[in-house]
Amino acid sequence: KAGVTQTPRYLIKTRGQQVTLSCSPISGHRSVSWYQQTPGQGLQFLFEYFSETQRNKGNFPGRFSGRQFSNSRSEMNVSTLELGDSALYLCASSLAVDSPLHFGNGTRLTVT
Amino acid sequence: GENVEQHPSTLSVQEGDSAVIKCTYSDSASNYFPWYKQELGKGPQLIIDIRSNVGEKKDQRIAVTLNKTAKHFSLHITETQPEDSAVYFCAASKIKAAGNKLTFGGGTRVLVKP
Repeated sequence: KAGVTQTPRYLIKTRGQQVTLSCSPISGHRSVSWYQQTPGQGLQFLFEYFSETQRNKGNFPGRFSGRQFSNSRSEMNVSTLELGDSALYLCASSLAVDSPLHFGNGTRLTVT
Repeated sequence: GENVEQHPSTLSVQEGDSAVIKCTYSDSASNYFPWYKQELGKGPQLIIDIRSNVGEKKDQRIAVTLNKTAKHFSLHITETQPEDSAVYFCAASKIKAAGNKLTFGGGTRVLVKP
């Protein structure tokens, strides 16, 4: 069974631009979560989607948004990029609300 | 909100020795405690998890213990091998109908010396 797939693996953007990251969950998984990983702040929860509905949202500004499609694939968008948005963005999927989260290998975003 | 503290931040052990990583959490309502291993260039990989109705769980060389009263849980790796070298993260969550949001500890970098 294929794992969680995130594309692209690497991105370089300029301050003020916007970016869209993509995540394909494990087949059959309906819940998708996004996390930001930085050396300073560690792993922080961004949001969680289930059946195209956002169930949870972390403490990030409104520039961070996401969505989930009917096939459970998810995208997250960051607008008006700032240098501090440079991070590894991780997507995780789970079968159900009380199932373990399985992470992809992330998208490394660098903002210059 | 939930706060998870993890110690130590780095751990160096000799191959064959045991490694222990400890985490404390603040929210007594947390009921799910997974452990992840992250290797360079990869995402976190779930290695073991425990729920609040269980005190201990083992999977081959890995075990996790949970003390709900003291609000701490620990990861034990026995007979360490060089391939155990990685960063390990603990996490806590209140699994509920509204979702499963993980709060992570700061991570422990484990180095197993051959």
